[in-house]
Amino acid sequence: DVKVTQSSRYLVKRTGEKVFLECVQDMDHENMFWYRQDPGLGLRLIYFSYDVKMKEKGDIPEGYSVSREKKERFSLILESASTNQTSMYLCASSSRDFSYEQYFGPGTRLTVT
Amino acid sequence: RKEVEQDPGPFNVPEGATVAFNCTYSNSASQSFFWYRQDCRKEPKLLMSVYSSGNEDGRFTAQLNRASQYISLLIRDSKLSDSATYLCVVKSDRRNNNDMRFGAGTRLTVKP
Repeated sequence: DVKVTQSSRYLVKRTGEKVFLECVQDMDHENMFWYRQDPGLGLRLIYFSYDVKMKEKGDIPEGYSVSREKKERFSLILESASTNQTSMYLCASSSRDFSYEQYFGPGTRLTVT
Repeated sequence: RKEVEQDPGPFNVPEGATVAFNCTYSNSASQSFFWYRQDCRKEPKLLMSVYSSGNEDGRFTAQLNRASQYISLLIRDSKLSDSATYLCVVKSDRRNNNDMRFGAGTRLTVKP
């Protein structure tokens, strides 16, 4: 059974704090993604990675950075959290050959106060 | 203008009804099309791909109209378990084969 796990389901942070969101997949997938999901806006891609140590900006990378030191792990970092980063964050992975089928983690609901 | 647009709904239908959702996309270079399903407070999951010739998977039928740049999903004989948000997804090959655009979703509630 394929699995993508995220470090927290719910997180509350204060403005200005550094926030780490971790994602781990056990499917040996090459591709990993970070999205945020907001009502009425759908999923928006923040960053993705198609290999270890490789990363590419998505549509809304400002205020975020990522790290992929191991194939199974993809971290999203909010350098200085702001209230407009309050959102649901979803991690996903896919194989290179079947990149259209993304497997999502359960999501982290981040609230920045 | 959003790249992928969907009617957010909600669509409230009785069990056994037939319901259809449409989705329009703006990028004519889009190459692949999909429907994902997202249950309440759960993650999205691939429901089905959409082929140019149209395709069926049980009670679900997906169709693509490239000329008009829209895709559709038809659900026949709706079940309570079909209640979910349906996300339209459009894929192009602009960035390392990973450029997928998700619509905001159409919410369906099937009532007894």
